[in-house]
Amino acid sequence: NAGVTQTPKFQVLKTGQSMTLQCAQDMNHNSMYWYRQDPGMGLRLIYYSASEGTTDKGEVPNGYNVSRLNKREFSLRLESAAPSQTSVYFCASRNSGVNTGELFFGEGSRLTVL
Amino acid sequence: KQEVTQIPAALSVPEGENLVLNCSFTDSAIYNLQWFRQDPGKGLTSLLLIQSSQREQTSGRLNASLDKSSGRSTLYIAASQPGDSATYLCAVSTNQAGTALIFGKGTTLSVSS
Repeated sequence: NAGVTQTPKFQVLKTGQSMTLQCAQDMNHNSMYWYRQDPGMGLRLIYYSASEGTTDKGEVPNGYNVSRLNKREFSLRLESAAPSQTSVYFCASRNSGVNTGELFFGEGSRLTVL
Repeated sequence: KQEVTQIPAALSVPEGENLVLNCSFTDSAIYNLQWFRQDPGKGLTSLLLIQSSQREQTSGRLNASLDKSSGRSTLYIAASQPGDSATYLCAVSTNQAGTALIFGKGTTLSVSS
């Protein structure tokens, strides 16, 4: 059971470089999320996609863009990386609606921006 | 604005002890509450999901309760083991679509053998 798969697991960037974090889920969930986790700040929502074809900003969207490529895949792009974007990024998915289900997380992508 | 608080931030207990982790939230209008476990350097693993209409959920040695009116949830761990050492987070959904999820900052549990 793959669940939620994120790539890459580790990445080091220089300031100004761009990169895309990939996320795929095989649970047929309609909603997908990108979070960042920083010491002392907890988990903060960057962007989410309630269903295929829709995306919305979360709490900390500045400096990021997302694409919901299809029902399975939701990518997060950093166009011009900054040191403040050094963090651990988590993708998550769930079924949302009348009976919102459990949220499942990937293993995380650890990004360092120098 | 919904806020989720977990106290204490850290807890150390000897193996075999029963323990309770606390989660409080400021707005009782929630749709569900979920407890997670996070091991160092890993992602979050779902432990229990309680819908707003439910009072408790159980899985093995874990029991989670929900009291919406008082804005509280507890996670009870029976007969703790060193393998239970991890950070435990709670999160509340504040809308039906599940697109608004507020996390607490977690309680880090250490169980010594």
